Amino acid sequence: SAVISQKPSRDICQRGTSLTIQCQVDSQVTMMFWYRQQPGQSLTLIATANQGSEATYESGFVIDKFPISRPNLTFSTLTVSNMSPEDSSIYLCSVRLSGNTIYFGEGSWLTVV
Amino acid sequence: DAKTTQPTSMDCAEGRAANLPCNHSTISGNEYVYWYRQIHSQGPQYIIHGLKNNETNEMASLIITEDRKSSTLILPHATLRDTAVYYCIVRVAEKTSYDKVIFGPGTSLSVIP
Repeated sequence: SAVISQKPSRDICQRGTSLTIQCQVDSQVTMMFWYRQQPGQSLTLIATANQGSEATYESGFVIDKFPISRPNLTFSTLTVSNMSPEDSSIYLCSVRLSGNTIYFGEGSWLTVV
Repeated sequence: DAKTTQPTSMDCAEGRAANLPCNHSTISGNEYVYWYRQIHSQGPQYIIHGLKNNETNEMASLIITEDRKSSTLILPHATLRDTAVYYCIVRVAEKTSYDKVIFGPGTSLSVIP
């Protein structure tokens, strides 16, 4: 497995502001993924972030709202821009390890007021 | 869309085996069955995966039918700490540059004292 650290673990933000969530892995990984989990719902894939290329966004998610950086093989950031209360969710980072299994971080709990 | 269907919820008596079914009738020959669980307020935890043979690890057993159209996750002696949402997922076996894990709603398992 891998140690996947997310920061912040929780935050309360004002609407209209932006928040950047960091994901740090203790080993080099090719593929990283960002998910959103709205209250009481399952996980929804936002985008796939590969090092050295642009992130690939799923239907319903756009780069202007959720810009992603992937500067190296152990780190990625997801920014939630111009937040509204509907963005209140858990944001989860996940990685695919060399054995092809995908592991998840503990998530970043975001509340927009 | 998720390629699996699971019951919405199940109960299990503490100490008994919990058998969680999953239907994946459209699974392809190169797709594995993966199971994750999510305990409240935590990120999803990897449990087990398999291709066509039954698998067992320290957490659970995975029974896959011969036609691979369904599977059952077995927690042999359920404890209160096993109360969680359990997700059954199919994804490609090979490492590819295109890979993503799509979550369905999962099964909410309640272990009852």
